[in-house]
Amino acid sequence: QVQLQESGPGLVRPSEILSLSCAISNGSVSSYYWNWIRQSAGGALEWIGRIYSSGSTTYNPSLESRVSMSIDTSQNHFSLRLSSLTAADTAVYFCARSPSQTRPFDIWGQGTMVTVSS
Amino acid sequence: ETVLTQSPGTLSLSPGERATLSCRSSQSVTGRYLAWYQQRPGQAPRLLIHFASSRATGIPDRFSGGGSGTEFTLTISRVEPEDSAIYYCQQYGNSPPLTFGGGTKVEI
Repeated sequence: QVQLQESGPGLVRPSEILSLSCAISNGSVSSYYWNWIRQSAGGALEWIGRIYSSGSTTYNPSLESRVSMSIDTSQNHFSLRLSSLTAADTAVYFCARSPSQTRPFDIWGQGTMVTVSS
Repeated sequence: ETVLTQSPGTLSLSPGERATLSCRSSQSVTGRYLAWYQQRPGQAPRLLIHFASSRATGIPDRFSGGGSGTEFTLTISRVEPEDSAIYYCQQYGNSPPLTFGGGTKVEI
């Protein structure tokens, strides 16, 4: 059973850069789309973007100027960088897999809480 | 951006009753590429339904989805206590961004 595990700092200061990683176990990074999704305290889910195993990316236009994603096929993990953080970026961040652009998120990580505060 | 609106906000039911959840889209969802997820407290969302009406692997047949265009429904034929959760719809067929509805809380 493929499993995903997010890792990263729980607390980040305003204006700094958030870096998160998602490790993929019991499966390959190849030929899938790998996504980042966040959930605010109120429950709203927001798709941040995705990266294909080839390295091709698609970002949410609302975050595009602050987001970058990368993938390491040799280490079986992918990463998120989000810059110019504000309190509004405080959320639980999930990584998730989708088998294609026309398939939903079938496997999710457990999520990691990120708080933006000085 | 495709906006998804879910109703009702909260649904309170007794075990064995039928639950009907609605998801309305601001524009037609291409290819019926609409999914439903269940999220229990402290857990990640779990895929229930994809392609509007296809159950994901391991999902009980009391869960069913329907609809097309801009109107979709998730039905739980006979709710059980373990079905207490928040349910989200999500479209993945229209141009990015992929979007989620605001959720319906089901209380059993």
